[in-house]
Amino acid sequence: DAKTTQPPSMDCAEGRAANLPCNHSTISGNEYVYWYRQIHSQGPQYIIHGLKNNETNEMASLIITEDRKSSTLILPHATLRDTAVYYCIVRARVGGYQKVTFGTGTKLQVIP
Amino acid sequence: EPEVTQTPSHQVTQMGQEVILRCVPISNHLYFYWYRQILGQKVEFLVSFYNNEISEKSEIFDDQFSVERPDGSNFTLKIRSTKLEDSAMYFCASSEATGAPKGSQHFGDGTRLSIL
Repeated sequence: DAKTTQPPSMDCAEGRAANLPCNHSTISGNEYVYWYRQIHSQGPQYIIHGLKNNETNEMASLIITEDRKSSTLILPHATLRDTAVYYCIVRARVGGYQKVTFGTGTKLQVIP
Repeated sequence: EPEVTQTPSHQVTQMGQEVILRCVPISNHLYFYWYRQILGQKVEFLVSFYNNEISEKSEIFDDQFSVERPDGSNFTLKIRSTKLEDSAMYFCASSEATGAPKGSQHFGDGTRLSIL
């Protein structure tokens, strides 16, 4: 799986949009970008994934650059419950199992 | 929304004892996983399981570890002779199908294992 680079920490004011960047300059054509988060003391939670088009679901939006070398996870109206570590993960579609390789992620602190 | 459930939430065991961590994956999922997270460190992959056999295991998953799906609903991780360094959060996960886009994994909230 391609390597990703994320800032170690970010702050965001409650109610504002949180924009979490991720660099994945060595991504290959068959690799997807996945985002997970881990709220303190809980299991990781899947947020969203994409290949090359921008994606939106009820939790977040994912913006992938045209060259696919970077992406941004957007939480449109951050709440205190969004305080968590956010992981950007790149992995290919493979037959069979799919382990997830977690990095150190970005610790997002939402401030009242 | 269906969830992965893990029991117990906290397990305290004497060093050298055997421990079994239990998981109930989401019912229509086919792929099962165990991860662990030592306090303050990254979540690490241990093992994946499909069709009643191990698909892949990490170097952490040595001979003291084993997994089993004893019936149609449970998925267990056994640690035969626990060591102090086995103290960690252990997460079970399951996924519906291979590959994206359906391959996103659903995690349980973990079992905190404390070895004394």
